[in-house]
Amino acid sequence: DAKTTQPNSMESNEEEPVHLPCNHSTISGTDYIHWYRQLPSQGPEYVIHGLTSNVNNRMASLAIAEDRKSSTLILHRATLRDAAVYYCILRDGWDDKIIFGKGTRLHILP
Amino acid sequence: DVKVTQSSRYLVKRTGEKVFLECVQDMDHENMFWYRQDPGLGLRLIYFSYDVKMKEKGDIPEGYSVSREKKERFSLILESASTNQTSMYLCASSPGQGTSYGYTFGSGTRLTVV
Repeated sequence: DAKTTQPNSMESNEEEPVHLPCNHSTISGTDYIHWYRQLPSQGPEYVIHGLTSNVNNRMASLAIAEDRKSSTLILHRATLRDAAVYYCILRDGWDDKIIFGKGTRLHILP
Repeated sequence: DVKVTQSSRYLVKRTGEKVFLECVQDMDHENMFWYRQDPGLGLRLIYFSYDVKMKEKGDIPEGYSVSREKKERFSLILESASTNQTSMYLCASSPGQGTSYGYTFGSGTRLTVV
């Protein structure tokens, strides 16, 4: 499985945008980039995914580099409820299983 | 609201007991998965299933088995529980093969083996 690299932790102020980076230099042409987050004491929650183009949904935006070797999850206006571990995952086009890395623990400061 | 329901939130079992962890989804999803999550090790895939009566080993299947007799239910079985199986167990489902689909996770079962 192709690997992703994320910072162990990040901090951000409440009501400010947050940019969570992910490197995936060995990504293949059939890999989709998926993001999940895990709030304390809960199971992971799907956030967003993309292949080549930037994507937006009600939770976040996903910016994908032109060479696809990196991506950034953008939370436009962080709230305290966004404090969680965020996982960037590459999902093969043929293989439905997801392998999780360590993720980034996001702290939101009031 | 679509759901993945795990039968127990907390469970305490004795070493050597046979343990059943149940997971039910109400979304008519094809695929179901079992993970365990441990501090410092993250989420690790134990077993998964693409269809009824089908199962595939994940990264850490040793000491576990699974059963999928009905599409909506995926059971994880610890044949003889050991203390190193104390962990948070998470079940997930997804609609089918294809990377456009996200997973839906349950809230988890925290199992303690004493």
